[in-house]
Amino acid sequence: GDSVTQMEGPVTLSEEAFLTINCTYTATGYPSLFWYVQYPGEGLQLLLKATKADDKGSNKGFEATYRKETTSFHLEKGSVQVSDSAVYFCALGSGNTPLVFGKGTRLSVIA
Amino acid sequence: DADVTQTPRNRITKTGKRIMLECSQTKGHDRMYWYRQDPGLGLRLIYYSFDVKDINKGEISDGYSVSRQAQAKFSLSLESAIPNQTALYFCATSRPGGSGANVLTFGAGSRLTVL
Repeated sequence: GDSVTQMEGPVTLSEEAFLTINCTYTATGYPSLFWYVQYPGEGLQLLLKATKADDKGSNKGFEATYRKETTSFHLEKGSVQVSDSAVYFCALGSGNTPLVFGKGTRLSVIA
Repeated sequence: DADVTQTPRNRITKTGKRIMLECSQTKGHDRMYWYRQDPGLGLRLIYYSFDVKDINKGEISDGYSVSRQAQAKFSLSLESAIPNQTALYFCATSRPGGSGANVLTFGAGSRLTVL
């Protein structure tokens, strides 16, 4: 079945550092790909999405490009802030089935 | 008011007790979901419902049941709670079909501890 594998955390970075969180997927067909973020004490919320190959999703300085050739959707941000500290989930949506989530990567940004 | 409201937010109970977690949404969406979050395991789907008359098992439905009382309400029950059901539970909702089907709006979560 469909699955998502994302890098394990936790990831600890200094403020203004570059962030990459890797995400690869396995799917039949042509899925849509998502990054959700969970801030402390809150539910998940959509960060960005891409619905077809070569699409780039972006929001709040975060970007991810849907790479069909490498089955990847890595999350990047050029300069992280303390307020970016959260758990990040990569997810896959295919057809009419519910989203499949990765295990999440905890990011801590220190000043 | 929040778009998706979960009650209770925190609950401590004992093994063997029946527990109900409730979820209501004001988004007007047809689709509703229950997920469970455990450290290191991410989010796993328990049950989902695409409309009032539709109930589907997810990845980890054993030991759980659900009821879709109305478009806006979707409750999760643990008939006889056990300690390994200690987790953070999330309810979510989405629009039916198209690009909105996978844009989920989550509640703030219900933390359940089974002693």
